[in-house]
Amino acid sequence: DVQLVESGGGLVQPGRSLRLSCAASGFTFSSYTMNWVRQAPGRGLEWISYISTSGRTIYYADSVKGRFTISRDNAKNSLYLQMNSLRHEDTAVYYCARGFLGIEDYWGQGILVTVSS
Amino acid sequence: EVVLTQSPGTLSLSPGERATLSCRASQTISSTHLAWYQQKPGQAPRLLIYGASSRATGTPDRFSGSGSGTDFTLTISRLEPEDFALYYCQQSRSFGQGTKLEIK
Repeated sequence: DVQLVESGGGLVQPGRSLRLSCAASGFTFSSYTMNWVRQAPGRGLEWISYISTSGRTIYYADSVKGRFTISRDNAKNSLYLQMNSLRHEDTAVYYCARGFLGIEDYWGQGILVTVSS
Repeated sequence: EVVLTQSPGTLSLSPGERATLSCRASQTISSTHLAWYQQKPGQAPRLLIYGASSRATGTPDRFSGSGSGTDFTLTISRLEPEDFALYYCQQSRSFGQGTKLEIK
């Protein structure tokens, strides 16, 4: 079975950094594009970043561009999101999701990031 | 950037009834990248429909998707108690704001 498990979330002060990880199993990780999608409390879904299978092609939403960095380690079946200069409005549940035909077919359970002083 | 507008915001129906959820795009989009998700409280979204009309693995056949161009529809033929949830449409990196399907 496809499994995606996020980790690394928690409470962080504004301006600080946090690194999320996503451990993948049950499929050939290196063959799939991956994405991060977030959901602020009580709000809808917001796509924030995409990475190609090789890691050479990367996209970001304008809301995180210049502050967040997506990366992957195909040898470790892992996806990462380095989040710098965090803001209150970055508070959300962050999901890693497997890419499929331009959308996402499998999602992790999500990890909560709370940005607060 | 494509803006997806879902309607209605909330749909109140009874089990056994038919549900029709709409997703309208701000410009013509490719059906290939149009998806529908179901989300229940405290859970991750679950892919229901991709390519506008193809059911994902495990999606019951009471769920169907249709549409093209700018107008897309998710139809649930006969509502089961477990179908009451939030539904989102998506086209590539844009999500609609969601439709809440609640029990009447």
